[in-house]
Amino acid sequence: EVQLLESGGGLVQPGGSLRLSCVASGFTFSTYAMNWVRQAPGKRLEWISSISHSGGTPYYADSVKGRFTISRDNSKNTLYLQMNNLRADDTAVYYCAKDSSSDSVNWFDVWGQGTLVTVSS
Amino acid sequence: EIVLTQSPATLSLSPGERATLSCRASQSVSKYVAWYQHKPGQPPRLLIYDASNRATGIPARFSGSGSETDFTLTISSLEPEDFAIYFCQHRGAWPPTFGPGTKVDFK
Repeated sequence: EVQLLESGGGLVQPGGSLRLSCVASGFTFSTYAMNWVRQAPGKRLEWISSISHSGGTPYYADSVKGRFTISRDNSKNTLYLQMNNLRADDTAVYYCAKDSSSDSVNWFDVWGQGTLVTVSS
Repeated sequence: EIVLTQSPATLSLSPGERATLSCRASQSVSKYVAWYQHKPGQPPRLLIYDASNRATGIPARFSGSGSETDFTLTISSLEPEDFAIYFCQHRGAWPPTFGPGTKVDFK
């Protein structure tokens, strides 16, 4: 079964850091680009970052550029999102999503269950 | 960035009825729209990509159409498991964005 399992969410103070992880199974992880998508309370989904199958060429939304870093370890079938200098408006459910392509953002054909990040003092 | 709007916000229907959902882009995205289904407590599921192609394993009652700025998702005959939120997404320009969603609920 194709599956993505996120972890690492939680409560963090403004200015703090968190690292999210997403473990993939059921497909050849190293073949596909991967993405992070978030949904803040009452808001629409927002694509925030993607990384190519090889780990090169990361892309970021303007809202997180310079604060978040996406990375992957193909030997561990794991995607990461390092989030620094967190703000209240980063509060959201963060989804890991498999891309349908290897190098660019196309369609998100497999999603994880999501992990909640709450930024509050 | 391209803004997607969806209508209606809520669609109240009964099983067996036809559902027609709309997604409109603020500028042309060619054919590059996808539709997803999202149920509470479950991950979103890709239904349609490139406006009209069904994703793997998606039943034939789901169909998509449209191009440029106007797109439609049609569910020909609602099954009980189809009551959910549906949202569209484009990749016709950078960055990819999502619509706000249409909730299909029981009448």
